[in-house]
Amino acid sequence: QSALTQPASVSGSPGQSITISCTGTSSDIGAYNYVSWYQHHPGKAPKLMIYEVTKRPSGVPDRFSGSKSGNTASLTISGLQAEDEADYYCSSYTSSRTQVFGGGTKLTVL
Amino acid sequence: EVQLVESGGGLVQPGGSLRLACAASGFTFTRDWMSWVRQAPGKGLEWVANIKQDGSEKYYIDSVKGRFTISRDNAKNSLYLQMNSLRAEDTAVYYCARDGVAVGLDHWGQGTLVTVSS
Repeated sequence: QSALTQPASVSGSPGQSITISCTGTSSDIGAYNYVSWYQHHPGKAPKLMIYEVTKRPSGVPDRFSGSKSGNTASLTISGLQAEDEADYYCSSYTSSRTQVFGGGTKLTVL
Repeated sequence: EVQLVESGGGLVQPGGSLRLACAASGFTFTRDWMSWVRQAPGKGLEWVANIKQDGSEKYYIDSVKGRFTISRDNAKNSLYLQMNSLRAEDTAVYYCARDGVAVGLDHWGQGTLVTVSS
């Protein structure tokens, strides 16, 4: 049950695009299309942004998109806005029927 | 509107016990898995445990197996986490979340802080 691997931080200017990677194993990301992404502003409840690798819940802007290749999933945010500044976490269903999160990535909008 | 409200957090000594509760409203509680997720100070999110709709299946992260027990009372629309033999490393904000399994944790509470310290 090792945590998925994410970069500690990424940054971009308003209007630009950024991508956050999330690397797992053949027992989690590589085994299932059950990857989710969460946005977390400190002090608030985390918010689901992407589920099943590519799907967006109602109300999430289409600037947010997800993808997966092998054991690595990615979250792309296009047209960066100031309010996108937050911590982002990936998670995956695992072969042990548990969930595992990534270590989190701090997004800074310059 | 889906609402999840956690309670029961507080300061407890190492080796002590605490029971967290999560009151659910705004959805049909009996239709969904539920999860507990925690965040230690300065650390990332960590999934802790989940429970099937009828309580017949429960899964835990290795570090809490044998110490924590997840349960639910569908008549009261409530989720619980009984935490025994608490350690300093269990100090965290604990969130309850509606667990769609494949579709992710789509609703979260605001969290309750558990501090394990002497």
